[in-house]
Amino acid sequence: SAVISQKPSRDICQRGTSLTIQCQVDSQVTMMFWYRQQPGQSLTLIATANQGSEATYESGFVIDKFPISRPNLTFSTLTVSNMSPEDSSIYLCSVEGGVGPRSYTFGSGTRLTVV
Amino acid sequence: QQPVQSPQAVILREGEDAVINCSSSKALYSVHWYRQKHGEAPVFLMILLKGGEQKGHEKISASFNEKKQQSSLYLTASQLSYSGTYFCGTGSGNTPLVFGKGTRLSVIA
Repeated sequence: SAVISQKPSRDICQRGTSLTIQCQVDSQVTMMFWYRQQPGQSLTLIATANQGSEATYESGFVIDKFPISRPNLTFSTLTVSNMSPEDSSIYLCSVEGGVGPRSYTFGSGTRLTVV
Repeated sequence: QQPVQSPQAVILREGEDAVINCSSSKALYSVHWYRQKHGEAPVFLMILLKGGEQKGHEKISASFNEKKQQSSLYLTASQLSYSGTYFCGTGSGNTPLVFGKGTRLSVIA
């Protein structure tokens, strides 16, 4: 199954600044997914990142706020821009490829606190 | 469309059984079940692709009724290690998963 290394694991940031989250996968994958999980809430898909093309954003998420890079088949970054306290959440990347067919593996998450 | 999970929370004593339900207003191609412990990433439990088929993972099994667009997760003889939040994720072909709001399960001694 795929193994994802996500960093940073946590950060405390000042409002108005930006944070870039990195995900490295140990195998080549076509699609990578970025989720947000607010405290005690479900996982909400931010965008799908394909290598060599623009990311596809879900309703309520825009590229200016959450720019994504996907330079190759094993790596992606998500930037949270111009942060406000409402952006405080856990951010997770995910890929298809786990212990079962069509299962998804998640990175360990980035716990972001904006002050 | 986000699937609906019930109950929102449940408390069990060790050895008791529980059922967690997941339903959708959309036709489903697959239902995925994940468990997330506090402070950790969600971990895959199982996927169901066919109507009525049951899958198993240790003492955890699940069913998927395509016609009713529902899935149920069965936890039997619960253990302390079963505690966590259970999410169902629904998929339609190659689209990304949409997760329910989760069911918080607490198993006490």
